[in-house]
Amino acid sequence: DTEVTQTPKHLVMGMTNKKSLKCEQHMGHRAMYWYKQKAKKPPELMFVYSYEKLSINESVPSRFSPECPNSSLLNLHLHALQPEDSALYLCASSQEGRGDGYTFGSGTRLTVV
Amino acid sequence: KNQVEQSPQSLIILEGKNCTLQCNYTVSPFSNLRWYKQDTGRGPVSLTIMTFSENTKSNGRYTATLDADTKQSSLHITASQLSDSASYICVVSLHTGGGNKLTFGTGTQLKVEL
Repeated sequence: DTEVTQTPKHLVMGMTNKKSLKCEQHMGHRAMYWYKQKAKKPPELMFVYSYEKLSINESVPSRFSPECPNSSLLNLHLHALQPEDSALYLCASSQEGRGDGYTFGSGTRLTVV
Repeated sequence: KNQVEQSPQSLIILEGKNCTLQCNYTVSPFSNLRWYKQDTGRGPVSLTIMTFSENTKSNGRYTATLDADTKQSSLHITASQLSDSASYICVVSLHTGGGNKLTFGTGTQLKVEL
């Protein structure tokens, strides 16, 4: 299995909703990442987990809350989002150390209404 | 400041033609350089990855080159197909204690037409 699987593929949520994005990989990667990508822009790093511990938080608002329950799973909990948070959310994973096998998921298209 | 610049910003070519995309970077310390293809609304898919000691890497009709001295890379696409229409992103990686941090270029939007 050489894939990073993200669910759901599409999500529409209201500003008062609570939802979660999920990411799963079975490649034995020990680093996992969340990115946010707006249209026609490069992905922006949000969070990095290394060996299931949060190692990088790029000053992301607290309405985004990451969680790494185990080495294969990464969640992003969403609460009280704003319309400007609408974007493509990408998960990625890589081997710790050299970053070999850096692989992206196909993304979740999030729309906040 | 670590930066990755790509040119051209957009490109339109006819099916069957070749094209070359450029990438200049100032990222330091350099770990590796990757080219990704990203279809609209989808995640990036890796085409090639090169360390500083590698000059060229091929993947089917895609050939990437790297000059670590001048900090330049190129992606050459041979015999283009309609399915090559996508954004091509140059990404330079540096290793940090908490995992690899990627610096993304702004991409070249390629359109292949009949």
